[in-house]
Amino acid sequence: AQKITQTQPGMFVQEKEAVTLDCTYDTSDPSYGLFWYKQPSSGEMIFLIYQGSYDQQNATEGRYSLNFQKARKSANLVISASQLGDSAMYFCAMSGRNNNAGNMLTFGGGTRLMVKP
Amino acid sequence: ETGVTQTPRHLVMGMTNKKSLKCEQHLGHNAMYWYKQSAKKPLELMFVYNFKEQTENNSVPSRFSPECPNSSHLFLHLHTLQPEDSALYLCASSQAPPDRINEKLFFGSGTQLSVL
Repeated sequence: AQKITQTQPGMFVQEKEAVTLDCTYDTSDPSYGLFWYKQPSSGEMIFLIYQGSYDQQNATEGRYSLNFQKARKSANLVISASQLGDSAMYFCAMSGRNNNAGNMLTFGGGTRLMVKP
Repeated sequence: ETGVTQTPRHLVMGMTNKKSLKCEQHLGHNAMYWYKQSAKKPLELMFVYNFKEQTENNSVPSRFSPECPNSSHLFLHLHTLQPEDSALYLCASSQAPPDRINEKLFFGSGTQLSVL
């Protein structure tokens, strides 16, 4: 079974500074994917970034980067130059191979990020 | 705008009512999902449909009944719910060939359900 752990229920960051949101995972699948989603107060889950287990380089998408340490089973999200609009819940999620049911994501408990002006 | 629309945004119902949640995706995807998001719990997968066929029922009580008439529409029919069923219900879709682990899900904004 897959498991995702986010140990930071809430975090503050000063506007324009960088912040790291932690995510550790556990799986027996040799091939898997790691995702980060953002959920603002409107409720919609917004895809941010993806890292495949066999990808050699850490993924980057604009101000978002994923610090992937496979041996440690961690996939931390780094947000550079924080903006007030970054205040939201952030979820780490993992996909694994499932031959019947398509792509099923397992989610962590989330981290609430609050950006201070 | 993710291309996945859920209605209604908010729903209040009594335990004896029957209601339905609706989800529509305009992305041409083949798989659709229902997730439940309760306070203080991780998102829980409820149902998965792939090419209109239900491929996953994650031990969901029978008072939740999904329906997928075509690849673009997904319903969740609710009856005789309990107060602990109050939650945000999120619909998602993906292209999702079964062996593609890099396929991201596109989510709607959810229906906030309150059961009185």
